[in-house]
Amino acid sequence: GQQVMQIPQYQHVQEGEDFTTYCNSSTTLSNIQWYKQRPGGHPVFLIQLVKSGEVKKQKRLTFQFGEAKKNSSLHITATQTTDVGTYFCAEEYGNKLVFGAGTILRVKS
Amino acid sequence: NAGVTQTPKFQVLKTGQSMTLQCAQDMNHEYMSWYRQDPGMGLRLIHYSVGAGITDQGEVPNGYNVSRSTTEDFPLRLLSAAPSQTSVYFCASTRGRVGPQETQYFGPGTRLLVL
Repeated sequence: GQQVMQIPQYQHVQEGEDFTTYCNSSTTLSNIQWYKQRPGGHPVFLIQLVKSGEVKKQKRLTFQFGEAKKNSSLHITATQTTDVGTYFCAEEYGNKLVFGAGTILRVKS
Repeated sequence: NAGVTQTPKFQVLKTGQSMTLQCAQDMNHEYMSWYRQDPGMGLRLIHYSVGAGITDQGEVPNGYNVSRSTTEDFPLRLLSAAPSQTSVYFCASTRGRVGPQETQYFGPGTRLLVL
């Protein structure tokens, strides 16, 4: 079935370092959503990207949608311990929202 | 609004037992869905519903049944529990059908262990 590939699976960074996770699809996406799940918690919506080449920022988080709408990235500048968790991208597929496998972020203080 | 609520929070079952995971939302959302989350596999869609009386299968529907008799409730039934169904189950809802400008709101999850 339809699936977005998300990399890396896991990243451990020093506090203050930057972090990026990527999602790639073999097909053109109509839109892509990003979610964050804190350890022991539930996924929480962060943002949705719809337009080709779109860039959106939320404080230290920058989200990009590729020009061909086949890939997306989430970049965190100067990570903090509050950024720990799993970051998921999700694509719309028919009436379904299909999630990537997620990137687990750990931050060393 | 309570948002999306799930009960129970934790459950231990023996192989072959049946049970129902409850999910309710008070936001008058049309779309509801069930996911299971396993390590390294992200969230996989089990079943979803675009409105009362309408349900459909997701990626991993085998061993699960759903019904949607009201807009608010979307229970997930395990017919005969198997150890492979040990997982964390999340219910989610969306105001309208999945699409641009529609985001999913997740419940707190149910942790299920099948022995």
